[in-house]
Amino acid sequence: EPEVTQTPSHQVTQMGQEVILRCVPISNHLYFYWYRQILGQKVEFLVSFYNNEISEKSEIFDDQFSVERPDGSNFTLKIRSTKLEDSAMYFCASSGDSRYTEAFFGQGTRLTVV
Amino acid sequence: RKEVEQDPGPFNVPEGATVAFNCTYSNSASQSFFWYRQDCRKEPKLLMSVYSSGNEDGRFTAQLNRASQYISLLIRDSKLSDSATYLCVVNMEAGNMLTFGGGTRLMVKP
Repeated sequence: EPEVTQTPSHQVTQMGQEVILRCVPISNHLYFYWYRQILGQKVEFLVSFYNNEISEKSEIFDDQFSVERPDGSNFTLKIRSTKLEDSAMYFCASSGDSRYTEAFFGQGTRLTVV
Repeated sequence: RKEVEQDPGPFNVPEGATVAFNCTYSNSASQSFFWYRQDCRKEPKLLMSVYSSGNEDGRFTAQLNRASQYISLLIRDSKLSDSATYLCVVNMEAGNMLTFGGGTRLMVKP
């Protein structure tokens, strides 16, 4: 069964450092997303990406965040200068040919900023 | 006002019980609706989409009431493996982002 894969599964970084979280969405999907979940809180939308550009972003997705699809398979989230409050589980997701269809999530990257 | 609201629980039920979860959403123009389950420190996994006519998948039944902006999930014959957090998820009209409820925790006991 096709699945979304994310690497690394756990990333520890020092405050102020840059991190790149990587995702390989399901191959025939067209919509890609990043969500995050702070421990004990609800899953929050960060950004959606379609046709090689950001289609929507939340207030959380400020200038320190960026996304890229550098090739035909990878989808990355970069956090330029990490803060303690960026510590969370980051989930990548993808969905098919309509923005209203189900999204499938990767297993997540646990980011710990120290 | 919270956009997607759920009773956080926990719901503690014995094996074999029937349990129902409810969810309300604030945007009347919302387009699509889902139930996901999330195990501790894992990713949300799609359980089922929710259609206007209601739909069933094995022991799981989902209902949507657009007039009341209310979604429900019924689990029959609960199994130990059903223990998880159940997330009500709505795709609002404005875009393609999913809005998650806070989840309802279910614990099925032997």
